[in-house]
Amino acid sequence: DAKTTQPPSMDCAEGRAANLPCNHSTISGNEYVYWYRQIHSQGPQYIIHGLKNNETNEMASLIITEDRKSSTLILPHATLRDTAVYYCIVRPSFNSGNTPLVFGKGTRLSVIA
Amino acid sequence: DVKVTQSSRYLVKRTGEKVFLECVQDMDHENMFWYRQDPGLGLRLIYFSYDVKMKEKGDIPEGYSVSREKKERFSLILESASTNQTSMYLCASSSHSMTAPLHFGNGTRLTVT
Repeated sequence: DAKTTQPPSMDCAEGRAANLPCNHSTISGNEYVYWYRQIHSQGPQYIIHGLKNNETNEMASLIITEDRKSSTLILPHATLRDTAVYYCIVRPSFNSGNTPLVFGKGTRLSVIA
Repeated sequence: DVKVTQSSRYLVKRTGEKVFLECVQDMDHENMFWYRQDPGLGLRLIYFSYDVKMKEKGDIPEGYSVSREKKERFSLILESASTNQTSMYLCASSSHSMTAPLHFGNGTRLTVT
């Protein structure tokens, strides 16, 4: 079972910041938060991940609350090409191997002109 | 950039046929994964592999098998295709690093008639 909760859909005006929330209230201390997105007819694309500090890369920023029970993915200036399903995933604890990601249903972001 | 290539974008097979879905990655990744994606059910893990000749069952392995004879290639096999295996199949790879992101191919849409 996915360990995250996301709203099923969101709209964002083109050029504005898109803020996608994710709740992961049962996250463990050594679990990372990952974000992927899937544009229609393509495979999922990695965006960003973090443990407890905020992270930023060329695609997005990840803000994780101090208690780590929730996070927000920020696309600073959304474009029509950012229309996609966004998945927030908590990486299961590392054991003897590289444990696979479990995808939930994600948030369908629609960027509107 | 990592490239994960799936041999076919679209495939149509008949019930009872043996079906091979091929996936090749060019980044010397140790880990490879097969997911299927269905409307309303999201991505579900079928099988994965940590190394050559190694395989692990995912959440829905029934009706499938896999082969990993070379590091760069991971094959998904439907021994006797059935209509309920009509789906989008996605292959992914990653390095052994604990935080390594998955890189996905663009998928094979399989229709079993």
